[in-house]
Amino acid sequence: EVQLVESGGDLVQPGGSLRLSCAASGFTLSTFLMYWVRQAPGKGLVCVSRLHSDGTSTHYADSVKGRFTISRDNAKNTLFLQMNSLRAEDTAIYYCVREVTTATIYGMDVWGQGTTVTVSS
Amino acid sequence: DIVMTQSPDSLAVSLGERATINCKSSQSVLYSSNNKNYLSWYQQKPGQPPKLLFYWASTRESGVPDRFSGSGSGTDFTLTISGLQAEDVAVYYCQQSYSTPRTFGQGTKVEIK
Repeated sequence: EVQLVESGGDLVQPGGSLRLSCAASGFTLSTFLMYWVRQAPGKGLVCVSRLHSDGTSTHYADSVKGRFTISRDNAKNTLFLQMNSLRAEDTAIYYCVREVTTATIYGMDVWGQGTTVTVSS
Repeated sequence: DIVMTQSPDSLAVSLGERATINCKSSQSVLYSSNNKNYLSWYQQKPGQPPKLLFYWASTRESGVPDRFSGSGSGTDFTLTISGLQAEDVAVYYCQQSYSTPRTFGQGTKVEIK
């Protein structure tokens, strides 16, 4: 079964750090575009970071640039999001998402259940 | 960044009636080389992650009921639910995949009247 399982969300103080993990099963993570998409309480969806299948090309939302780093471990088939200098506005559910870009299907077709990050003193 | 704007923000529809959600992009998401619109629709039920419903504006993802349909081109798109069912209560999002960063509309909440 194709699946993404996130972990690492927690309550952290402003200025603190967290590392989110996303374990993939049923497919090879390194062959897809992978995203972290967040959803603040009662709000919409925002792509905060993307990692290209080449493993080096990345993109970050302006709101997290310089503070968050996306990476992956091919051997463990796992995606990461290192989050530093956390702010209250980073409070959200963080989803790990696969984007498929082929000639027959094009979209974010696999989503994890999400992990909750709360930044508060 | 491409800005996606949905309307309305919410709507209440009687069971069995039609629900229509509009989505407008700040620039065209039609890729001229293949004549495909890089516009997707997602459904998010309470407490669940979003689920892909349509891509290329009107191509239904496997398993999506045919009461759901997507249409539009360029900058204007529509998601229609013909014959609303109780299980369709959700927030619906449009998203462009024409350029990076991928951007979503603000969401439209569909409820039962």
